[in-house]
Amino acid sequence: DTEVTQTPKHLVMGMTNKKSLKCEQHMGHRAMYWYKQKAKKPPELMFVYSYEKLSINESVPSRFSPECPNSSLLNLHLHALQPEDSALYLCASSRVGAYLQETQYFGPGTRLLVL
Amino acid sequence: AQSVTQLGSHVSVSEGALVLLRCNYSSSVPPYLFWYVQYPNQGLQLLLKYTSAATLVKGINGFEAEFKKSETSFHLTKPSAHMSDAAEYFCAVSDGSGGSNYKLTFGKGTLLTVNP
Repeated sequence: DTEVTQTPKHLVMGMTNKKSLKCEQHMGHRAMYWYKQKAKKPPELMFVYSYEKLSINESVPSRFSPECPNSSLLNLHLHALQPEDSALYLCASSRVGAYLQETQYFGPGTRLLVL
Repeated sequence: AQSVTQLGSHVSVSEGALVLLRCNYSSSVPPYLFWYVQYPNQGLQLLLKYTSAATLVKGINGFEAEFKKSETSFHLTKPSAHMSDAAEYFCAVSDGSGGSNYKLTFGKGTLLTVNP
């Protein structure tokens, strides 16, 4: 089973709202990722967690706050977002994050609209 | 630094025709290369990956890709297109350059349309 699940599928929020995106995998993977994908563009890496510790932050604004409560779960907390943050947010996981050849398995994404 | 160039942002083929999606990479070290497919309103699904075990890599749904070091290419092919192949295809590279062991660098994508 190579499934990564993400909730919610769609989210509409105002610029003053606080919301969270959730990602879950039960494959025993120890690396998890957040990507942002704008329409007709490739995914852009935001954060990487390896063994539940934040290992990469790609200079993402502080209005995005990741959290990894355990090895199966990854959250992305959103606060005071801007309309330009509207995008598809993808979660991915890989078996072991430290190896280049590890395949990243992607979830279906959460489509976020900021009004 | 690693980079990927996908030639052709849009490729259109007839059903049953050969599919050829081009990918060229730039890497200072032997790379790991991936092809992902993204159907409308979905996440990315791995089609195949090259990890130096064999230069011709077979993937899912009848796709395959050949790693050519001399041409720094990793083109994706399928002998006969099916309507269900219509999607966005991304080539990606990972070589650990710059200390970014986890970084997967994507090409800009190629939209494949299949005409009946």
